[in-house]
Amino acid sequence: GQNIDQPTEMTATEGAIVQINCTYQTSGFNGLFWYQQHAGEAPTFLSYNVLDGLEEKGRFSSFLSRSKGYSYLLLKELQMKDSASYLCAVRETTGGFKTIFGAGTRLFVKA
Amino acid sequence: SAVISQKPSRDICQRGTSLTIQCQVDSQVTMMFWYRQQPGQSLTLIATANQGSEATYESGFVIDKFPISRPNLTFSTLTVSNMSPEDSSIYLCSVRGDTQYFGPGTRLTVL
Repeated sequence: GQNIDQPTEMTATEGAIVQINCTYQTSGFNGLFWYQQHAGEAPTFLSYNVLDGLEEKGRFSSFLSRSKGYSYLLLKELQMKDSASYLCAVRETTGGFKTIFGAGTRLFVKA
Repeated sequence: SAVISQKPSRDICQRGTSLTIQCQVDSQVTMMFWYRQQPGQSLTLIATANQGSEATYESGFVIDKFPISRPNLTFSTLTVSNMSPEDSSIYLCSVRGDTQYFGPGTRLTVL
């Protein structure tokens, strides 16, 4: 089985930087995803890491350390529209390469 | 990329009835995944649907309650049987590609 942990809620200020951490335990790792989800909408893909290191995509960056079972999502120059839930998800090699989600981190961006 | 559509987008149903949700993908995929997202919660995998074989259910989900069909490589259905208010959720169809793609979801309310 697997276990995915991320903080329940975070609050940050507009224009600032926020880091959302995710730790995981899995029997067969095949990549880690970060998704953004606004209330009432389907999740939107943000990033995918399968190798160690930092992937940068505009204001969003994602980091992975497979040996530590650790990832973070870094959001820079926060905007009010970044207020959403951020879901960490791990794809496994077992069970048909299924993707399992963490509980999500609700980010509140304040002015 | 994959474009996924779901029908219905939302429904309000009476206790004890059943609802079948359809998922259509614009390309052929080997595996389709069904997720549930209860209010305020993250995504929980219900089952993995392979074309030509029985679906594989996750712990806590059974075929009698959530029968799944997978008649071809672009289509699947999930039925929520004998519904109760606890089944009120968003049900999401998903496929695996270079990332994990999601349909827009079906918002189900059971009275």
